[in-house]
Amino acid sequence: TQLLEQSPQFLSIQEGENLTVYCNSSSVFSSLQWYRQEPGEGPVLLVTVVTGGEVKKLKRLTFQFGDARKDSSLHITAAQPGDTGLYLCAGVNNAGNMLTFGGGTRLMVKP
Amino acid sequence: NAGVTQTPKFRILKIGQSMTLQCAQDMNHNYMYWYRQDPGMGLKLIYYSVGAGITDKGEVPNGYNVSRSTTEDFPLRLELAAPSQTSVYFCASSHEGRGYSPLHFGNGTRLTVT
Repeated sequence: TQLLEQSPQFLSIQEGENLTVYCNSSSVFSSLQWYRQEPGEGPVLLVTVVTGGEVKKLKRLTFQFGDARKDSSLHITAAQPGDTGLYLCAGVNNAGNMLTFGGGTRLMVKP
Repeated sequence: NAGVTQTPKFRILKIGQSMTLQCAQDMNHNYMYWYRQDPGMGLKLIYYSVGAGITDKGEVPNGYNVSRSTTEDFPLRLELAAPSQTSVYFCASSHEGRGYSPLHFGNGTRLTVT
């Protein structure tokens, strides 16, 4: 079983601060997806990273896939209250037939 | 577009009761999935289907059953509810297999077994 560990589990910051969320594993993934989940709703895909070392930007969010495709990070610049939510990473195994979710990072951005 | 629709949104069951969680999607996706999400935990796959008439077990299938008679519908059945099945259940669908195709999730069913 491939495991994905996310850190930190909880993060509470003030509006305008920067933050980084980590997603780590000892296993290699063919690709990695990041989702955001708001209370009472299902997760919504933010981005998929495929190539080792790949960096993708989505407005103030920057996603990076590790060179060895075992880890990923999400950096948010100048966080806003609208960024509040549960951030989940999910890794796809090399066979492309199994998606493993991390435990999530719950982010609260205070105005 | 409705996307993935789950019913009911909330349900309380007594131990030993049974129920069916409904899931329907209108995107003509072949792949459908059932996940459970426990507090502070990520999502765990219960069952999945790659097309009508085809289902397979995920990581935590015990205590559940599924069927896929149509492309649109993928109900999840709990036969003898147990407190360990208290969780939030999410149905999802995708255009292709889980490789690069994003999952589209419903808004979940919150189930409490007492």
